[in-house]
Amino acid sequence: AQSVTQPDIHITVSEGASLELRCNYSYGATPYLFWYVQSPGQGLQLLLKYFSGDTLVQGIKGFEAEFKRSQSSFNLRKPSVHWSDAAEYFCAVGADGQNFVFGPGTRLSVLP
Amino acid sequence: DAGVTQSPTHLIKTRGQHVTLRCSPISGHKSVSWYQQVLGQGPQFIFQYYEKEERGRGNFPDRFSARQFPNYSSELNVNALLLGDSALYLCASSLEVWAGQPQHFGDGTRLSIL
Repeated sequence: AQSVTQPDIHITVSEGASLELRCNYSYGATPYLFWYVQSPGQGLQLLLKYFSGDTLVQGIKGFEAEFKRSQSSFNLRKPSVHWSDAAEYFCAVGADGQNFVFGPGTRLSVLP
Repeated sequence: DAGVTQSPTHLIKTRGQHVTLRCSPISGHKSVSWYQQVLGQGPQFIFQYYEKEERGRGNFPDRFSARQFPNYSSELNVNALLLGDSALYLCASSLEVWAGQPQHFGDGTRLSIL
């Protein structure tokens, strides 16, 4: 069965600093990969997705993610973090015939 | 266009009771999925429905059931509630059922079991 790990439970960065959130997956073939963000008390919003092709994908709010097949990773990055980016971030995996799987999440705090 | 809407927003029940949660998908979306999110964890897949048929089921007991109506709205039912059922229940809709379809989430129903 596929699985998703997010090694960092909580990350704190200063406003304006760069950000990288890690995601690793375990699956036999290349699955569909997603990053979602969740603000407190709200549902999840899709930031970006990867299906195939260019391994660097651009998303909303200035986020990007890079798929690395050799490392089974799909890390999320942002060059300059804003205070409004403080939230919970989830990596997720989808595959045909398989149930959708979310990682445990990484909580991002932003210092002024 | 309206997003995914869920009702009620909050719900308090006691052990052993039954609960029904409701979800209206984005207009034109034919697939609805349900997730359970326990505090501090990622969402766990419960069910997916497409064109009124169950297309996926997660590792949840038979106390959990769902259905989808002709207008594509959906209900999640949970019987014999346990304390461990306390969670945020999220509904997501997508245009089609294949795994690459981005899912659009509602704000969830917060269920508390006393």
